[in-house]
Amino acid sequence: EVQLVESGGGLVQPGRSLRLSCAASGFTFSTSEMDWVRQAPGKGLEWVSSISSSSTFRYYADSVKGRFTISRDNARTALYLQMNSLRDEDTAVYYCVKESRYRSSWFDSWGLGTLVTVSS
Amino acid sequence: QSALTQPASVSGSPGQSITISCSGSSSDVGSYNVVSWYQQHPGKAPTLIIYEGGKRPSGVSNRFSGSSSGNTASLTISGLQAEDQADYYCCSYGGTFAVFGGGTKLTVL
Repeated sequence: EVQLVESGGGLVQPGRSLRLSCAASGFTFSTSEMDWVRQAPGKGLEWVSSISSSSTFRYYADSVKGRFTISRDNARTALYLQMNSLRDEDTAVYYCVKESRYRSSWFDSWGLGTLVTVSS
Repeated sequence: QSALTQPASVSGSPGQSITISCSGSSSDVGSYNVVSWYQQHPGKAPTLIIYEGGKRPSGVSNRFSGSSSGNTASLTISGLQAEDQADYYCCSYGGTFAVFGGGTKLTVL
């Protein structure tokens, strides 16, 4: 059974940094592309970032480009999101998501999420 | 990276069928089978219900079906049940980034 467990969320002041982690199990992490998707309180889903299985390719939403960095450690089966220069609008539940890909991609497994609150 | 367009809300009675639309452009929804659909109950994480336009993951009821025409994808839920009341999101992920629709709140009357 696929398990994705996020951690690292909390209350942080604007302009500060936070690092999210995701512990993955139940599948071959080293061959899976992974993503972060967020959801602001009462709002819809927003894709944040993706990383290829070997970390060769990393992509970001325009809203976080230059501030967030996605990374992974295949030996530890862990996914990370380093968030710098945080803004109020980054307040959201952040989901760690496993991606499947054929001719297109889709999100086949989701973690429970970790809440990040950016406020002074 | 513009969001896809979904109706804010739809409703139906138990046993009826409803359809949720998802509109985009030729570079996202209009591309070959790039749309997936997610169901989210309040306070829960989303779950995948349709991928590649019309395929269902194992364990998902065959009451859920997906289709597309031009730049619009659709999710149809037949035989509505109370447990179908949830938020539904479409997503296009055919290239290097994903874009979601704004979400549709389904109310089962």
